[in-house]
Amino acid sequence: EDQVTQSPEALRLQEGESSSLNCSYTVSGLRGLFWYRQDPGKGPEFLFTLYSAGEEKEKERLKATLTKKESFLHITAPKPEDSATYLCAVTSSDNTGKLIFGQGTTLQVKP
Amino acid sequence: NAGVTQTPKFRVLKTGQSMTLLCAQDMNHEYMYWYRQDPGMGLRLIHYSVGEGTTAKGEVPDGYNVSRLKKQNFLLGLESAAPSQTSVYFCASTISRVYGYTFGSGTRLTVV
Repeated sequence: EDQVTQSPEALRLQEGESSSLNCSYTVSGLRGLFWYRQDPGKGPEFLFTLYSAGEEKEKERLKATLTKKESFLHITAPKPEDSATYLCAVTSSDNTGKLIFGQGTTLQVKP
Repeated sequence: NAGVTQTPKFRVLKTGQSMTLLCAQDMNHEYMYWYRQDPGMGLRLIHYSVGEGTTAKGEVPDGYNVSRLKKQNFLLGLESAAPSQTSVYFCASTISRVYGYTFGSGTRLTVV
Protein backbone atom coordinates (compact mmCIF):
# COMPACT_ATOMS: atom_id res chain seq x y z
CA GLU A 1 0.00 0.00 0.00
CA ASP A 2 1.29 3.48 -0.89
CA GLN A 3 2.10 5.48 2.19
CA VAL A 4 3.71 8.80 3.15
CA THR A 5 4.80 9.71 6.67
CA GLN A 6 6.12 13.12 7.65
CA SER A 7 8.06 14.09 10.74
CA PRO A 8 8.05 15.98 12.94
CA GLU A 9 4.38 17.02 13.09
CA ALA A 10 5.41 20.46 14.32
CA LEU A 11 8.69 22.33 14.41
CA ARG A 12 9.57 25.58 16.11
CA LEU A 13 12.73 27.38 15.05
CA GLN A 14 14.36 30.65 15.83
CA GLU A 15 15.04 32.90 12.88
CA GLY A 16 18.32 31.78 11.33
CA GLU A 17 18.25 28.31 12.92
CA SER A 18 18.57 25.77 10.08
CA SER A 19 16.78 22.41 10.21
CA SER A 20 15.28 19.61 8.10
CA LEU A 21 11.84 18.11 7.60
CA ASN A 22 11.52 14.41 6.83
CA CYS A 23 9.21 12.57 4.44
CA SER A 24 9.35 8.76 4.42
CA TYR A 25 7.50 7.00 1.64
CA THR A 26 6.46 3.55 0.55
CA VAL A 27 5.39 3.18 -3.07
CA SER A 28 5.89 0.62 -5.79
CA GLY A 29 7.96 2.35 -8.42
CA LEU A 30 8.36 6.02 -7.55
CA ARG A 31 6.97 8.25 -10.32
CA GLY A 32 7.37 11.51 -8.48
CA LEU A 33 7.71 13.02 -5.01
CA PHE A 34 6.28 16.47 -4.40
CA TRP A 35 6.69 19.16 -1.78
CA TYR A 36 4.00 21.76 -1.19
CA ARG A 37 3.71 24.75 1.12
CA GLN A 38 0.32 25.57 2.66
CA ASP A 39 -0.46 28.82 4.44
CA PRO A 40 -3.46 29.02 6.78
CA GLY A 41 -6.73 29.36 4.88
CA LYS A 42 -5.13 28.75 1.50
CA GLY A 43 -4.59 25.89 -0.90
CA PRO A 44 -1.27 24.06 -1.12
CA GLU A 45 1.34 25.78 -3.27
CA PHE A 46 3.72 23.68 -5.34
CA LEU A 47 7.40 23.85 -4.37
CA PHE A 48 9.37 20.94 -5.88
CA THR A 49 9.13 17.69 -7.78
CA LEU A 50 11.80 14.99 -7.40
CA TYR A 51 11.86 11.93 -9.61
CA SER A 52 14.91 9.83 -8.77
CA ALA A 53 17.22 9.07 -5.85
CA GLY A 54 20.08 11.55 -5.61
CA GLU A 55 18.12 14.38 -7.15
CA GLU A 56 18.17 17.78 -5.44
CA LYS A 57 16.17 20.97 -6.04
CA GLU A 58 16.64 24.41 -4.48
CA LYS A 59 14.52 27.51 -4.12
CA GLU A 60 15.70 30.40 -1.97
CA ARG A 61 16.23 29.00 1.55
CA LEU A 62 14.71 25.61 0.71
CA LYS A 63 16.47 22.55 -0.62
CA ALA A 64 14.77 19.21 -1.28
CA THR A 65 16.67 15.94 -1.54
CA LEU A 66 15.59 12.39 -2.35
CA THR A 67 16.76 8.90 -1.46
CA LYS A 68 15.11 5.56 -2.23
CA LYS A 69 13.11 5.67 0.99
CA GLU A 70 12.80 9.29 2.05
CA SER A 71 13.01 12.92 1.15
CA PHE A 72 14.27 15.85 3.18
CA LEU A 73 13.31 19.49 2.99
CA HIS A 74 16.25 21.47 4.32
CA ILE A 75 15.56 25.00 5.49
CA THR A 76 18.65 27.20 5.74
CA ALA A 77 18.59 30.32 7.91
CA PRO A 78 14.77 30.46 7.98
CA LYS A 79 12.81 33.68 8.28
CA PRO A 80 9.40 34.21 9.93
CA GLU A 81 7.79 34.28 6.47
CA ASP A 82 8.82 30.63 6.02
CA SER A 83 6.26 29.71 8.68
CA ALA A 84 3.70 27.40 7.06
CA THR A 85 2.67 23.77 6.80
CA TYR A 86 4.85 21.75 4.44
CA LEU A 87 3.23 18.80 2.71
CA CYS A 88 4.94 15.87 1.03
CA ALA A 89 3.21 13.63 -1.53
CA VAL A 90 4.00 10.80 -3.92
CA THR A 91 2.29 9.74 -7.11
CA SER A 92 0.31 6.58 -6.47
CA SER A 93 1.50 3.33 -7.99
CA ASP A 94 -1.85 2.60 -9.70
CA ASN A 95 -1.05 4.83 -12.70
CA THR A 96 -3.99 7.18 -12.12
CA GLY A 97 -1.93 10.24 -11.27
CA LYS A 98 -3.38 10.42 -7.78
CA LEU A 99 -1.17 11.98 -5.12
CA ILE A 100 -0.85 10.36 -1.71
CA PHE A 101 -0.18 13.03 0.91
CA GLY A 102 1.52 12.92 4.25
CA GLN A 103 -0.08 14.76 7.14
CA GLY A 104 2.35 17.64 6.96
CA THR A 105 4.85 19.42 9.17
CA THR A 106 3.80 22.75 10.62
CA LEU A 107 6.80 25.05 10.85
CA GLN A 108 6.88 28.14 13.03
CA VAL A 109 9.85 30.48 12.76
CA LYS A 110 10.14 33.03 15.54
CA PRO A 111 11.94 36.34 15.05
CA ASN B 1 -4.53 34.82 -13.88
CA ALA B 2 -4.49 31.21 -14.98
CA GLY B 3 -5.31 28.71 -12.29
CA VAL B 4 -7.96 26.77 -10.45
CA THR B 5 -11.03 28.61 -9.21
CA GLN B 6 -13.38 27.18 -6.59
CA THR B 7 -16.83 28.48 -5.75
CA PRO B 8 -18.18 29.12 -3.24
CA LYS B 9 -15.42 29.92 -0.74
CA PHE B 10 -17.61 29.41 2.32
CA ARG B 11 -20.93 27.71 2.90
CA VAL B 12 -23.08 26.64 5.84
CA LEU B 13 -25.59 23.86 5.23
CA LYS B 14 -28.23 22.25 7.35
CA THR B 15 -28.19 18.48 7.71
CA GLY B 16 -29.98 16.91 4.77
CA GLN B 17 -29.55 19.81 2.38
CA SER B 18 -27.76 19.37 -0.93
CA MET B 19 -25.24 21.54 -2.71
CA THR B 20 -22.73 21.59 -5.55
CA LEU B 21 -19.15 22.81 -5.38
CA LEU B 22 -17.71 24.10 -8.63
CA CYS B 23 -14.11 23.80 -9.75
CA ALA B 24 -12.96 25.54 -12.92
CA GLN B 25 -9.49 25.50 -14.48
CA ASP B 26 -8.26 27.41 -17.49
CA MET B 27 -4.98 25.56 -18.06
CA ASN B 28 -6.38 22.84 -20.35
CA HIS B 29 -5.49 20.19 -17.76
CA GLU B 30 -6.70 16.65 -18.33
CA TYR B 31 -6.68 15.46 -14.73
CA MET B 32 -8.80 16.93 -11.95
CA TYR B 33 -9.23 15.93 -8.32
CA TRP B 34 -11.36 16.67 -5.29
CA TYR B 35 -9.78 16.37 -1.85
CA ARG B 36 -11.03 17.08 1.64
CA GLN B 37 -8.73 18.27 4.39
CA ASP B 38 -9.48 17.64 8.04
CA PRO B 39 -7.32 18.28 11.12
CA GLY B 40 -5.12 15.28 11.84
CA MET B 41 -6.29 13.48 8.69
CA GLY B 42 -4.38 15.27 5.98
CA LEU B 43 -5.64 15.53 2.42
CA ARG B 44 -7.89 12.65 1.38
CA LEU B 45 -9.02 12.02 -2.17
CA ILE B 46 -12.80 11.99 -2.73
CA HIS B 47 -13.17 11.58 -6.50
CA TYR B 48 -11.06 12.28 -9.54
CA SER B 49 -11.24 12.53 -13.31
CA VAL B 50 -8.64 11.61 -15.92
CA GLY B 51 -10.42 13.42 -18.73
CA GLU B 52 -13.67 14.96 -19.94
CA GLY B 53 -16.60 12.64 -19.34
CA THR B 54 -14.72 10.36 -16.93
CA THR B 55 -14.89 10.10 -13.15
CA ALA B 56 -13.60 7.63 -10.57
CA LYS B 57 -13.81 7.06 -6.84
CA GLY B 58 -11.02 7.98 -4.51
CA GLU B 59 -10.36 7.11 -0.90
CA VAL B 60 -13.50 8.63 0.70
CA PRO B 61 -16.27 8.82 -1.95
CA ASP B 62 -19.36 7.98 0.13
CA GLY B 63 -21.97 10.75 0.23
CA TYR B 64 -20.47 12.58 -2.76
CA ASN B 65 -21.03 12.57 -6.50
CA VAL B 66 -19.08 14.24 -9.28
CA SER B 67 -19.44 15.19 -12.92
CA ARG B 68 -16.98 16.29 -15.61
CA LEU B 69 -19.15 17.28 -18.54
CA LYS B 70 -16.67 19.88 -19.76
CA LYS B 71 -12.90 19.56 -19.63
CA GLN B 72 -12.47 22.76 -17.65
CA ASN B 73 -15.08 22.05 -14.96
CA PHE B 74 -15.28 19.44 -12.22
CA LEU B 75 -18.36 19.51 -9.99
CA LEU B 76 -18.65 17.93 -6.55
CA GLY B 77 -22.14 17.28 -5.24
CA LEU B 78 -23.35 16.52 -1.75
CA GLU B 79 -26.69 14.75 -2.03
CA SER B 80 -27.76 14.92 1.62
CA ALA B 81 -25.25 16.78 3.77
CA ALA B 82 -24.15 15.32 7.10
CA PRO B 83 -22.13 16.92 9.92
CA SER B 84 -19.29 14.48 9.09
CA GLN B 85 -18.91 16.33 5.79
CA THR B 86 -17.85 19.50 7.56
CA SER B 87 -14.42 20.08 6.08
CA VAL B 88 -12.30 22.17 3.75
CA TYR B 89 -12.58 20.97 0.16
CA PHE B 90 -9.81 21.46 -2.35
CA CYS B 91 -9.90 21.00 -6.06
CA ALA B 92 -6.69 20.37 -7.98
CA SER B 93 -5.67 19.79 -11.58
CA THR B 94 -2.63 18.66 -13.53
CA ILE B 95 -1.66 18.26 -17.15
CA SER B 96 0.17 15.00 -16.63
CA ARG B 97 0.32 12.09 -14.20
CA VAL B 98 3.93 12.87 -13.32
CA TYR B 99 3.57 16.59 -12.74
CA GLY B 100 2.45 18.29 -9.54
CA TYR B 101 -1.01 19.63 -8.99
CA THR B 102 -2.27 23.19 -9.09
CA PHE B 103 -4.70 23.66 -6.22
CA GLY B 104 -7.63 25.95 -5.79
CA SER B 105 -8.01 28.11 -2.70
CA GLY B 106 -10.57 25.83 -1.09
CA THR B 107 -14.19 25.79 0.03
CA ARG B 108 -14.86 25.77 3.75
CA LEU B 109 -18.10 23.86 4.35
CA THR B 110 -19.89 23.61 7.67
CA VAL B 111 -22.86 21.27 8.09
CA VAL B 112 -24.99 21.95 11.15
